[in-house]
Amino acid sequence: DARVTQTPRHKVTEMGQEVTMRCQPILGHNTVFWYRQTMMQGLELLAYFRNRAPLDDSGMPKDRFSAEMPDATLATLKIQPSEPRDSAVYFCASGRQANTEAFFGQGTRLTVV
Amino acid sequence: EDQVTQSPEALRLQEGESSSLNCSYTVSGLRGLFWYRQDPGKGPEFLFTLYSAGEEKEKERLKATLTKKESFLHITAPKPEDSATYLCAVAPPAGNMLTFGGGTRLMVKP
Repeated sequence: DARVTQTPRHKVTEMGQEVTMRCQPILGHNTVFWYRQTMMQGLELLAYFRNRAPLDDSGMPKDRFSAEMPDATLATLKIQPSEPRDSAVYFCASGRQANTEAFFGQGTRLTVV
Repeated sequence: EDQVTQSPEALRLQEGESSSLNCSYTVSGLRGLFWYRQDPGKGPEFLFTLYSAGEEKEKERLKATLTKKESFLHITAPKPEDSATYLCAVAPPAGNMLTFGGGTRLMVKP
């Protein structure tokens, strides 16, 4: 059963600490997305990769967030330094270029205290 | 900028009481409109993709329809297990990035 795998599922950290979230996309998918979900803003796109190259990260605060794909099986989202306003659920999703539906992981619930 | 608005924000139904959820969109161009279901504590689960006005898709008790300005998700004789948040999203002509609406939280009581 192919699925997007995210780790960790939950993370509690102190303000100022670095946070790294990881995502394993579905094998064969060449597009990867990072979304953030909050009660107030809903689902917001943070970054978008195609064939491991970043195509759009305009939704991401550049001073503290960074997203990378070291290889086709791993995508990372880092926050440094973390702030309480970063508390949210972060979702990774992957898809095929030919089709447009994206398949989501279970998310990482981040709490910054 | 693409905009997606879903209504109502919340909907309470009795089991068996059919209804519809609305997704209105304003886009510069539409590659596809997507419906997802999200259960608490989980990621959105893909339901349907609609590509052109007049298109309809069905899955069990759900039927999605598309016009040039909105989409409806019709729920026929819902069951308590249909309770979830339903999200719609649009994709632009170029790229796969989805713009999501705020969702409709559906509660079906037995």
